Amino acid sequence: AQRVTQPEKLLSVFKGAPVELKCNYSYSGSPELFWYVQYSRQRLQLLLRHISRESIKGFTADLNKGETSFHLKKPFAQEEDSAMYYCALAQGGSEKLVFGKGTKLTVNP
Amino acid sequence: GAGVSQSPRYKVAKRGQDVALRCDPISGHVSLFWYQQALGQGPEFLTYFQNEAQLDKSGLPSDRFFAERPEGSVSTLKIQRTQQEDSAVYLCASSLWSGNTGELFFGEGSRLTVL
Repeated sequence: AQRVTQPEKLLSVFKGAPVELKCNYSYSGSPELFWYVQYSRQRLQLLLRHISRESIKGFTADLNKGETSFHLKKPFAQEEDSAMYYCALAQGGSEKLVFGKGTKLTVNP
Repeated sequence: GAGVSQSPRYKVAKRGQDVALRCDPISGHVSLFWYQQALGQGPEFLTYFQNEAQLDKSGLPSDRFFAERPEGSVSTLKIQRTQQEDSAVYLCASSLWSGNTGELFFGEGSRLTVL
C-alpha cells in the first residue's frame, strides 16, 4: 500500500536559516511526488512536483529512490514561508494523491 | 468563478441528520476528487470522478457516504445518518486530465461538525 510519512509535525526555524522538511514514502512502483502548501487562511495549493525538477519560491526537492525520500529544502527561510506543508504521492499515471499528515513550518523573525 | 467553489463553508449537524456538500469545479476540468481532512491530519482520499463516471470510491468510509456528479460538472457528497466521527473538513479538488498526474486545484473546504 502507498504511504507517505512526514516525521515532523512542527518545525520552527529563524529567518535566514536553512530549512528541510522531511518526507519518506512507501510504494513499490514508480511514484510521482509532490509538495502542497497551505498558507494561513488560504486553500491548499501545489508548491512543486518532482517531475518538473524546478525551484519554486526558493524551495527544491529531490527524489531519492534509494532512500525513498523527497525532502523539501530551502537555503534561507523567509517569514512568509510559514505554512502547513504536505508531501503527496501518486502512482505513475494516476491522479489520485496520497498525502502525508503535514508539517507546520514556523519561520521566526 | 476563478477557482473551485464549495458550499456550505460551515455545517453543523445533529447526530443522525443527513447532510449534502456541494462542489463546483473549475470550468472544463474533467477530474474531480473528494478528500476528508480530520483535525491535525492530512487529506484522506474519498472518491474520484472523471466527467460523470465515478472511477474510484475506495476511500468512502461506509455506505452512509455517497457522491455523485451527474452531468460531469457540479458534484455532491452526501452523508446519511451523520456520526460524530464524520466531523472533518471535506475538500473538493479538480484538475485537467492530461493522461498524467496533474495539479489538483482545491476548494476552501466544507467544515462539518456533528454534535
